[in-house]
Amino acid sequence: AQTVTQSQPEMSVQEAETVTLSCTYDTSESDYYLFWYKQPPSRQMILVIRQEAYKQQNATENRFSVNFQKAAKSFSLKISDSQLGDAAMYFCAYTGTYKYIFGTGTRLKVLA
Amino acid sequence: NAGVTQTPKFQVLKTGQSMTLQCAQDMNHNSMYWYRQDPGMGLRLIYYSASEGTTDKGEVPNGYNVSRLNKREFSLRLESAAPSQTSVYFCASSSEAYEQYFGPGTRLTVT
Repeated sequence: AQTVTQSQPEMSVQEAETVTLSCTYDTSESDYYLFWYKQPPSRQMILVIRQEAYKQQNATENRFSVNFQKAAKSFSLKISDSQLGDAAMYFCAYTGTYKYIFGTGTRLKVLA
Repeated sequence: NAGVTQTPKFQVLKTGQSMTLQCAQDMNHNSMYWYRQDPGMGLRLIYYSASEGTTDKGEVPNGYNVSRLNKREFSLRLESAAPSQTSVYFCASSSEAYEQYFGPGTRLTVT
């Protein structure tokens, strides 16, 4: 069975600094997708970034980028130039077909 | 563009009561999902529907039933609510690129 593990329940970062959130996963499938979702206090789940396993190039979306290490089954999220609006819960997610597996989340605090 | 809508936003039930959570999407997605979110546990899949006319169990299906009414709508029913079903419920639909779009959630309390 697939699993997704986020080992950092909480992280803090100074405004304008860079922070990296960790995620590891386990799967026997060769083709799959990985995601990072943001959940602010409003509770709305927002897609941050997406990575296809068959692509070696790491995905980037403005200030958000990933470090995808397929052999190590690692998928970390780097947030550059952190802003107060980045404060939220961040969830790592995996899907191979139709079923999605979510990690338990990392709460990110941004300090002014 | 409404995306994914859910009703109601809040609900309080007594143990043993039944209710249906409604979900609709206007993005023409084939796949739809129901999750529950509990503190410290992330999102757990209850049921999903890969396409109109099909439904399958997820990780935590016990105590729930679903209906894929048409391509747009996917409802979740609690036949006899229990305190353990107190949670926040999210509906989602998935694009062909496997990106999930979520509704605003329903906070359900069972007393």
